[in-house]
Amino acid sequence: DGGITQSPKYLFRKEGQNVTLSCEQNLNHDAMYWYRQDPGQGLRLIYYSQIVNDFQKGDIAEGYSVSREKKESFPLTVTSAQKNPTAFYLCASSPPGRGDYNEQFFGPGTRLTVL
Amino acid sequence: RKEVEQDPGPFNVPEGATVAFNCTYSNSASQSFFWYRQDCRKEPKLLMSVYSSGNEDGRFTAQLNRASQYISLLIRDSKLSDSATYLCVVNIPSGSARQLTFGSGTQLTVLP
Repeated sequence: DGGITQSPKYLFRKEGQNVTLSCEQNLNHDAMYWYRQDPGQGLRLIYYSQIVNDFQKGDIAEGYSVSREKKESFPLTVTSAQKNPTAFYLCASSPPGRGDYNEQFFGPGTRLTVL
Repeated sequence: RKEVEQDPGPFNVPEGATVAFNCTYSNSASQSFFWYRQDCRKEPKLLMSVYSSGNEDGRFTAQLNRASQYISLLIRDSKLSDSATYLCVVNIPSGSARQLTFGSGTQLTVLP
């Protein structure tokens, strides 16, 4: 089955630790995105990548880092520099063609809690 | 002014009711519009794209008003399973970036 997978589903981190969230897709999508969602709020863009080996900062990139070494994979690292990392993290991908603003499809998300 | 604004609700309606959500956007150059549905503690899922001519998918109708910069979603004959948060999504042109901006969502509860 084609889709987007994220792991782990739940993640607990101690303050001062870096953690990496996994995102994999087998949809052959070029573009991939990371969002953060806080309770009662909309999604905010952290980073996005339109092609392998290239990525751009979104609106709230501080304290996060990404890599895009393979088309299928777009891992997100939450560093100790992120002051308030507890949130629901969502990875998405977007199909090629049909213009620049195609719909995005989401993975099931990772809930990160800092203890 | 927020780039994408929605009434947060909550909207509590009885089964079988018709309910409408509106969403306004700030950038007149926006070209792509979507409605997503998000269930509690789940990921958003695409409900429908919104086309200039308006479009319908079963009980759901989406409309776009470019002059007033708003989009709407109409749900007819509400079902219990329609209870969710509905997200208005708009592209905000920013150079070559393929970005979408998400509203904060409108919460719908359909009551038996």
